[in-house]
Amino acid sequence: KNEVEQSPQNLTAQEGEFITINCSYSVGISALHWLQQHPGGGIVSLFMLSSGKKKHGRLIATINIQEKHSSLHITASHPRDSAVYICAVRSGAQKLVFGQGTRLTINP
Amino acid sequence: DTEVTQTPKHLVMGMTNKKSLKCEQHMGHRAMYWYKQKAKKPPELMFVYSYEKLSINESVPSRFSPECPNSSLLNLHLHALQPEDSALYLCASSQDRSRGGTDTQYFGPGTRLTVL
Repeated sequence: KNEVEQSPQNLTAQEGEFITINCSYSVGISALHWLQQHPGGGIVSLFMLSSGKKKHGRLIATINIQEKHSSLHITASHPRDSAVYICAVRSGAQKLVFGQGTRLTINP
Repeated sequence: DTEVTQTPKHLVMGMTNKKSLKCEQHMGHRAMYWYKQKAKKPPELMFVYSYEKLSINESVPSRFSPECPNSSLLNLHLHALQPEDSALYLCASSQDRSRGGTDTQYFGPGTRLTVL
């Protein structure tokens, strides 16, 4: 079993739909990251969370430390949101442990 | 400036070639990372440099040789690679958390390497 599990692995939705991507982890962490990777490779850090909730534009990330679970929500989804979303937790001094990623496709 | 740059964007090399990948950041970050990413897989950590010293080597074969000549630059020297080494190589940087910084990693666009 991976230390970081994401679901779903693939998600296809229509423009405007509310999107939820889930991340569960089995190790003790001090921070959880949500990353976005577009086709072509570049990775962008969306959020770093250690507790509670953060919001940036149409993106919302929550974390429940007791349940070892985090969610990434996208409101009013748009085709430009199509990307791979990766959950990663900080394990050890400088290492990130990555989930397998969720491939999101938003159709117009 | 919150950018990490990587050169080249694409590289094709033979198994007997020697080449280098370069990474640069000017955010004053003192931790720099090399990752390898195969298609449809998450990045795999290869090396971490902290204050220009190698702090983590994830049992990477010696045909990959990292170098950090100064706090802004990170190189990855490649020699005698195998076709299975073909992948996207990502560089990242972050503040040094042990000295009070955050550990948000800023990633470069990657170098797509093909070994023939």
